[in-house]
Amino acid sequence: QQQVKQSPQSLIVQKGGISIINCAYENTAFDYFPWYQQFPGKGPALLIAIRPDVSEKKEGRFTISFNKSAKQFSLHIMDSQPGDSATYFCAAKGAGNMLTFGGGTRLMVKP
Amino acid sequence: KAGVTQTPRYLIKTRGQQVTLSCSPISGHRSVSWYQQTPGQGLQFLFEYFSETQRNKGNFPGRFSGRQFSNSRSEMNVSTLELGDSALYLCASSLDALNEKLFFGSGTQLSVL
Repeated sequence: QQQVKQSPQSLIVQKGGISIINCAYENTAFDYFPWYQQFPGKGPALLIAIRPDVSEKKEGRFTISFNKSAKQFSLHIMDSQPGDSATYFCAAKGAGNMLTFGGGTRLMVKP
Repeated sequence: KAGVTQTPRYLIKTRGQQVTLSCSPISGHRSVSWYQQTPGQGLQFLFEYFSETQRNKGNFPGRFSGRQFSNSRSEMNVSTLELGDSALYLCASSLDALNEKLFFGSGTQLSVL
């Protein structure tokens, strides 16, 4: 049973535009929600993360919005650049450091 | 500081064989986790180790096993390989059992023929 649902599966954005990726979770025991960026041939790299007691976190061009009551969170990439083209994964942490990942979003930023 | 190192980078095996993958965490990191990544199932948790003890195990058959050594290095083993075991196996390390920031290696790409 997929506990973290991610959408869309793929996304094309023009350079300078805003990329938005959404995730929804089911397990209310999750207590940490990171986003990872993965380039071909590389492992996922931690981008930004949020805890459920915070509604928004911003780091540079990347912002997480978190809605605890709706059990949803999203990643916004402002001023998207071609170098942002990668696969993005949301995740949720349960027991220990066990992460449950969303299915991934392949982002392409067109110049 | 060197990142998470996984060896080998690529591996080709045949059905029924067994395989051992190795992971060296970032220096000073004591917690190691393993994930399987496939196009169909995405990223799935395999196990987590801290201080040579398995803390959590994912929903994988007993053919998948792992261990952690006193220097925090970890290995995972898959016995009686099946075609469906073909995947990218990723190792991640974190400072300790309470630190959620996971740093991933580039993985070992396993192909089972």
